[in-house]
Amino acid sequence: QKEVEQNSGPLSVPEGAIASLNCTYSDRVSQSFFWYRQYSGKSPELIMSIYSNGDKEDGRFTAQLNKASQYVSLLIRDSQPSDSATYLCAPANDYKLSFGAGTTVTVRA
Amino acid sequence: GAVVSQHPSWVICKSGTSVKIECRSLDFQATTMFWYRQFPKQSLMLMATSNEGSKATYEQGVEKDKFLINHASLTLSTLTVTSAHPEDSSFYICSARLPRTGNDGYTFGSGTRLTVV
Repeated sequence: QKEVEQNSGPLSVPEGAIASLNCTYSDRVSQSFFWYRQYSGKSPELIMSIYSNGDKEDGRFTAQLNKASQYVSLLIRDSQPSDSATYLCAPANDYKLSFGAGTTVTVRA
Repeated sequence: GAVVSQHPSWVICKSGTSVKIECRSLDFQATTMFWYRQFPKQSLMLMATSNEGSKATYEQGVEKDKFLINHASLTLSTLTVTSAHPEDSSFYICSARLPRTGNDGYTFGSGTRLTVV
């Protein structure tokens, strides 16, 4: 069983729509959760972090965490073509990140 | 914000030679650095964790004698790929834990694309 599983892509959404990304993790002791965006050929850049159960909003992005279900999600509202990238879910345990395979999002203009 | 500078951004080398990749934290002290490898269409796989002044901890399946990691100072960590082979061709990325001064999580270097011919 993979440690971090993300919904398989690619995910294609029209410009202005909501993109919904899901992630489940197997390590129950994970305390910190990160969403990274990675453009092709580039290194990851931090989008959101979340540490407590519930929702966290930052601009067009909303992260949701449910530790009991070992589930974390990311919503991208008002999707823009510049949001087209691969999104990586990364729980952290003992200061080490475990990355999911990523979900590739394509925003259609 | 906190920046990790990684060099070179790309390198081509011949089989059997060694390649050194450097990561420097520019405006903070990185006591812990992480080295990742990413093959095309795959996610980042942690290779090793290095702590300043001590030996690196390698993940299972990563050859410590092939991937030499040195973290001699709080601002510099290096990864040397020794006796490189074509199967070592990959995207190598370093990452540092950010100090708890309002920053968040981890910051990544820009990555090094290694091609072994």
